[in-house]
Amino acid sequence: KAGVTQTPRYLIKTRGQQVTLSCSPISGHRSVSWYQQTPGQGLQFLFEYFSETQRNKGNFPGRFSGRQFSNSRSEMNVSTLELGDSALYLCASSSSTKLFFGSGTQLSVL
Amino acid sequence: GENVEQHPSTLSVQEGDSAVIKCTYSDSASNYFPWYKQELGKGPQLIIDIRSNVGEKKDQRIAVTLNKTAKHFSLHITETQPEDSAVYFCAASTGLDNFNKFYFGSGTKLNVKP
Repeated sequence: KAGVTQTPRYLIKTRGQQVTLSCSPISGHRSVSWYQQTPGQGLQFLFEYFSETQRNKGNFPGRFSGRQFSNSRSEMNVSTLELGDSALYLCASSSSTKLFFGSGTQLSVL
Repeated sequence: GENVEQHPSTLSVQEGDSAVIKCTYSDSASNYFPWYKQELGKGPQLIIDIRSNVGEKKDQRIAVTLNKTAKHFSLHITETQPEDSAVYFCAASTGLDNFNKFYFGSGTKLNVKP
């Protein structure tokens, strides 16, 4: 089975721009979660989607949003980028309670 | 919400020695505790997990123990090898009740010296 696929692997943006990250979950997995990883804050939960519905949300500002499509693929969007948004964004898919992560998208905001 | 603390932040051992990483959690409702290994440039990889109705679980050189009363769980790696060098994260979750919201420890950088 193919793993969780995230694109792109690297992104460089400037402050004020917006960005869209993509995630394809493991085949058959209907739940997709997003996490932000930074050296200072560690792994922090952004949101979780199941069957195109957001079921859970972390403590991030409204500039962070996401969606899930009928084929379970998911995208997350960050608008009005700030320097502090520089991070590794990880997508994870799950069946039952086990989380399986992709390799992440490394976002650098200049 | 849940708070997961992980110690130590760095751990250096000689090849062949054992390594132990400890985590504590605050929410008694947490019932699922996975451990992840993250290598440079990769996402976290699930290496072992334990549910709250089990006290210990072992998989070859890796074992996890859980003390529900004290709210702590530990990862034990025996006969360490250089390829075990990575960052290890513990996590806690209330599972399906909380729609897969996981709380992670801050990570332990393990260095296995040949």
